[in-house]
Amino acid sequence: KAGVTQTPRYLIKTRGQQVTLSCSPISGHRSVSWYQQTPGQGLQFLFEYFSETQRNKGNFPGRFSGRQFSNSRSEMNVSTLELGDSALYLCASSLMGPYNEQFFGPGTRLTVL
Amino acid sequence: DQQVKQNSPSLSVQEGRISILNCDYTNSMFDYFLWYKKYPAEGPTFLISISSIKDKNEDGRFTVFLNKSAKHLSLHIVPSQPGDSAVYFCAASQTQGGSEKLVFGKGTKLTVNP
Repeated sequence: KAGVTQTPRYLIKTRGQQVTLSCSPISGHRSVSWYQQTPGQGLQFLFEYFSETQRNKGNFPGRFSGRQFSNSRSEMNVSTLELGDSALYLCASSLMGPYNEQFFGPGTRLTVL
Repeated sequence: DQQVKQNSPSLSVQEGRISILNCDYTNSMFDYFLWYKKYPAEGPTFLISISSIKDKNEDGRFTVFLNKSAKHLSLHIVPSQPGDSAVYFCAASQTQGGSEKLVFGKGTKLTVNP
């Protein structure tokens, strides 16, 4: 069974630009969650999608958005990038939701210059 | 406001000894707790979980203890092995009547010395 894949693995952008990150969950998993990991804040929940609907949202500004497609693949978009958005963005999939065992992808390392 | 706290950023133990990682939470509505392990350059991997109706869950070398009155949980690894060296994240969720968001602590870096 293929694991969770995230593309791209590394990304360098400049302030003000926008970025789209992609996540392909494990086949059969309908829940996809996104997290931001920074050295000072640990893992912070961004949002969770289930069957193309956003079910939960963390405390992030509206510049962070996402969507889920009918095949459960998910994208995350960050507009008007700020230096503080530099982080590892992790995607996790599970059968029913975050309280189930989640399987994480390797992450996308975003650097904003 | 940090609802899940891992107050020890790092822990170092000798191979073969017990590793005890601690986690405190403030939200009494949390009813499901999980531990994840993360190696560098990899995503976190699920380790073990516990429901609030239990006070202990064991899986091989890993045991999680939950003390609801103290809002405290701990992960015991016995015996510790060098391959256990990683960052361990504690996470909590409110599954009943809540948003089911998973709240993570900031992690504890465990180093097991040979």
